[in-house]
Amino acid sequence: GQNIDQPTEMTATEGAIVQINCTYQTSGFNGLFWYQQHAGEAPTFLSYNVLDGLEEKGRFSSFLSRSKGYSYLLLKELQMKDSASYLCAVRGLFMTTDSWGKFQFGAGTQVVVTP
Amino acid sequence: DAMVIQNPRYQVTQFGKPVTLSCSQTLNHNVMYWYQQKSSQAPKLLFHYYDKDFNNEADTPDNFQSRRPNTSFCFLDIRSPGLGDTAMYLCATSRLGQGVSEAFFGQGTRLTVV
Repeated sequence: GQNIDQPTEMTATEGAIVQINCTYQTSGFNGLFWYQQHAGEAPTFLSYNVLDGLEEKGRFSSFLSRSKGYSYLLLKELQMKDSASYLCAVRGLFMTTDSWGKFQFGAGTQVVVTP
Repeated sequence: DAMVIQNPRYQVTQFGKPVTLSCSQTLNHNVMYWYQQKSSQAPKLLFHYYDKDFNNEADTPDNFQSRRPNTSFCFLDIRSPGLGDTAMYLCATSRLGQGVSEAFFGQGTRLTVV
C-alpha cells in the first residue's frame, strides 16, 4: 500500500515563494505527480518527477528524492489565482496484479495567497 | 480538443435509488480510473481498468459497480446510494506503455444523495 503525507494548509503573500512538502511510503513507485485543484473543480496536472532531482516548469518546480521518499512543489511569484489545493500523487508500478499504474493521492495542501 | 467528459455535472438522487455516472474520453488512453472525493479529502480510488481488465480496490463497497464497454466509455453504477455516498466522482484516464503519462481528469460529477 501507500501512505502519502502533506501539510494541511499554508499561507503566503502575493509575490512570495511557497514550498509544499510531500512524503510517501510505497510498495511500488513509478513517478510522483503534482496537481492543482480549485474548490469544486477537477485536479489539473502541474508537474511530475520519475528520477531524482529538480524539474522546472515556469513558476512551478518539483523535486524528488526517491531514497528519502520525499518530494516538494515550489511555487514562485505567487499570484492570487494560485490559491487552491495542491495534491501530491504517487503512481504505482505497471503490470502488477493489482495496479496498472494507478495513482494514489495525498489529502492536499490548501494554499492561501494573501494580498 | 481531446478530453475527458463526465455526465452529468450535478446529480441529485434519492436514498436507495440507483444512479449511473458516465465518462467518455477522446484521448484513446488505455487506462481509466474512477475516484471518489469528499470535501477536503484525498481522491479515493474506487476502480481502474487497463483496456477491459478490471481492478477493484479492496475497500470499494459492493454497492459500487463499473462497466467499460469500449475504450472510450466507462460507467459508475451505484446500486443503492446512501447519504455517505454524497461526494464528487472523478473520472480520469492515462496512457500505459510508452513513457510517463499523467492522469487526465474530467470535470467531475457532484452527487448529492437525499
